[in-house]
Amino acid sequence: ETGVTQSPTHLIKTRGQQVTLRCSSQSGHNTVSWYQQALGQGPQFIFQYYREEENGRGNFPPRFSGLQFPNYSSELNVNALELDDSALYLCASSLPRSRGDSPLHFGNGTRLTVT
Amino acid sequence: ILNVEQSPQSLHVQEGDSTNFTCSFPSSNFYALHWYRWETAKSPEALFVMTLNGDEKKKGRISATLNTKEGYSYLYIKGSQPEDSATYLCASTTGANNLFFGTGTRLTVIP
Repeated sequence: ETGVTQSPTHLIKTRGQQVTLRCSSQSGHNTVSWYQQALGQGPQFIFQYYREEENGRGNFPPRFSGLQFPNYSSELNVNALELDDSALYLCASSLPRSRGDSPLHFGNGTRLTVT
Repeated sequence: ILNVEQSPQSLHVQEGDSTNFTCSFPSSNFYALHWYRWETAKSPEALFVMTLNGDEKKKGRISATLNTKEGYSYLYIKGSQPEDSATYLCASTTGANNLFFGTGTRLTVIP
């Protein structure tokens, strides 16, 4: 069973730049969620993708966008980076159309630093 | 937005001690409660997902209980071992596709 993998592990960007983070979901999981964990906070839901379509979004501005591909891998794109975007970004896959009663399978995260 | 709170924020226990921590969540529109263990430099690992009031789940030395009417869950670790050192996260959901996480309890087990 292949777990959730994220790349890159670490990333340093300058304010105003754009960044793309990548995630490969666990085999058999076609639902991918992205979470942001800022320092001292719990993970916060950004959005979820199911069958290549956005399936729910948290309280994040439109400059946070995503994609899901036919192989269920996913990307998180952030435009016009701000200093407050510095955080750990976690990707998690889960069983199809779970209403929240299936566990999330997380990757190791991407640490983004915006200077 | 659900306000999920965890306490304590951190604790240190001696190897062999038993310990417990708390997760509080809004009881209205409750659907499920998740517990995750997050070791340093690893990914969060699911421990339990609970949905029913009064539910109790166990995995080795770790167990959890759920009270949906009053909005709390306890996580218990019996006979703590150094490998139990981790941050323990809980998260609640109303049945939508997102989880609302607490800030975690950081456990350190001293050999």
